[in-house]
Amino acid sequence: ETGVTQSPTHLIKTRGQQVTLRCSSQSGHNTVSWYQQALGQGPQFIFQYYREEENGRGNFPPRFSGLQFPNYSSELNVNALELDDSALYLCASSSSMNTEAFFGQGTRLTVV
Amino acid sequence: QKEVEQNSGPLSVPEGAIASLNCTYSDRGSQSFFWYRQYSGKSPELIMSIYSNGDKEDGRFTAQLNKASQYVSLLIRDSQPSDSATYLCAVSPRSGAGSYQLTFGKGTKLSVIP
Repeated sequence: ETGVTQSPTHLIKTRGQQVTLRCSSQSGHNTVSWYQQALGQGPQFIFQYYREEENGRGNFPPRFSGLQFPNYSSELNVNALELDDSALYLCASSSSMNTEAFFGQGTRLTVV
Repeated sequence: QKEVEQNSGPLSVPEGAIASLNCTYSDRGSQSFFWYRQYSGKSPELIMSIYSNGDKEDGRFTAQLNKASQYVSLLIRDSQPSDSATYLCAVSPRSGAGSYQLTFGKGTKLSVIP
């Protein structure tokens, strides 16, 4: 157990819909990163939030957006879902940008 | 395009043997290097980090880094069946630990045979 909690654990959505994934970071952690892991692939960096500000973004289109709240929990929003968005979405939190990050258990998103 | 390459395996070793996992990366600006272990259906777990050339040992694990050759490796001594998992190599453009903009390889699946 890493203390990083993601919800929901599994989700099925229809192409074109919107989805919100949630991450509750470990107590005392102010930095949250989101990753997408397609089947058989390594995780791909989506973006990172530090103290409620976006602090870097990977090669993902604008329909992937996020938020970090004052309690440092975070949301990942994906609009206009595509079949290729089907993946395991991982959130990782750390106590700063330069300390070890711990991954949550992930949310398995299936787009049909 | 920053790339991290790993042999996808599967790599099979007998129990008690040394498992050797290798990784190459394309971005010479990479500063931090990590090995994660991922069991099937679970999230990645950090097992080793290395930031400077040479070897770093932690228990049964040794990470090796050669920045000139853009090469990172992980040795697992006295391999146990519980080591059976996918091992992900990751690199970051920032120094120090953290999850910033990690570029992961596809992973090497290790199977330790009892």
